[in-house]
Parts: sequence; structure tokens; C-alpha cells
Amino acid sequence: GQQVMQIPQYQHVQEGEDFTTYCNSSTTLSNIQWYKQRPGGHPVFLIQLVKSGEVKKQKRLTFQFGEAKKNSSLHITATQTTDVGTYFCAGNFGNEKLTFGTGTRLTIIP
Amino acid sequence: NAGVTQTPKFQVLKTGQSMTLQCAQDMNHNSMYWYRQDPGMGLRLIYYSASEGTTDKGEVPNGYNVSRLNKREFSLRLESAAPSQTSVYFCASSSGGLLYEQYFGPGTRLTVT
Repeated sequence: GQQVMQIPQYQHVQEGEDFTTYCNSSTTLSNIQWYKQRPGGHPVFLIQLVKSGEVKKQKRLTFQFGEAKKNSSLHITATQTTDVGTYFCAGNFGNEKLTFGTGTRLTIIP
Repeated sequence: NAGVTQTPKFQVLKTGQSMTLQCAQDMNHNSMYWYRQDPGMGLRLIYYSASEGTTDKGEVPNGYNVSRLNKREFSLRLESAAPSQTSVYFCASSSGGLLYEQYFGPGTRLTVT
């Protein structure tokens, strides 16, 4: 079946350090979305990438979509305590459905 | 604007009992979804509805049924609950199509003993 792999599963960083999570698919994606889930909360949409090689920024967050549209990454510069949560990528393979990665749980050491 | 609402927030069932999880959205969205979230497994799609009157299976549909009652409401039914269905259930909605984000409800935490 169509799967989206996400690594790492967990990441513990000192406040102020950078953080990156990666997603990979074995087949080409139509687009990829990123969501954030705070502890005890629900997933909240962050961004969508559609074009090959696309790079988008939201303040300290940088999102990239690979040239082959099979991989994506989320990079957070200088993490803050407000960045705590689980980050999910969700791939679209050309239909109404999203296939979520397993998520990367980010914890911040103050 | 409440967005996506789910009831109940918490539920404990005994094995073999049945229940219906309710979901409603007030954003006039065409598409609605039911996911389950288990530790280390991410979000897995149970069923979805691309429009009123249509439903389709997702990745893990066994043991569940759904009803798209109208454009606003999409319910998930467990006919005979099993411990393997202990999970957090999220309902989501979107405008539909490939390029629209999904809006999630607050979730229902279900325990089956």
C-alpha cells in the first residue's frame, strides 16, 4: 500500500537548538501537508507543499518538498518551548485521502 | 463558529458493547473523515465521505460503520467493541479535493475493557 515514512520518532533538544523531521514516500506524491499536534490536543494544519522543489517558510519553520516529490522535511530554527508537540507529515497520492506519517514528537529541554 | 465538534470526549465500554461517536462541522465542508490515533502509529483513516450520501473505506475499516447523515454530520459506529479498538478517535473535515487542509475535532478517547 501507499505509505509515508517519518523519522525520527522522537527528538529531544535543548531550547535554542535546531530540529528537523523527515518524510519519505516510495511513490510520487501529489502534494504534502504538515500538521502539529500539541500534547493532549488535536492536529492543526501548518502548511501544504505542491510543487517539485518547493520551499516555504513560516517564521522559524522551513518546509521543503523534494525535486522528485517523494520526500519532504520540516526544519525549526532555534527551538522554543512553544514548539513542543508532535509534527506529522501527510501525503496525498492523488485522491481525497491523506496518508499520515507516524509523527515526530519534539520535546524541549529548557 | 465551532468548527468541528465531537461527542463524547471520553467513553469506557465493555467488550461487546456498541456505541456511536458523533461528529459535526459548521464550515459547510463537503468532505469528512474518521481517524484513529494509537501510540507510535500516527493517524490512520477509518472511513471518509467525499460528499453527502457517499462513504468509502480507509486503511482500517474493520469493526466500524459510518453514516453521513447530512452535510454537517458524520457518525462512526462500533457495533461490538473490542479491546483493540481502544484508541483516540478524531473526526476531520475539509472543503474537498486534493488541495484543501483538514480541520480536526478535539477527539474522543475510547477505552474498551
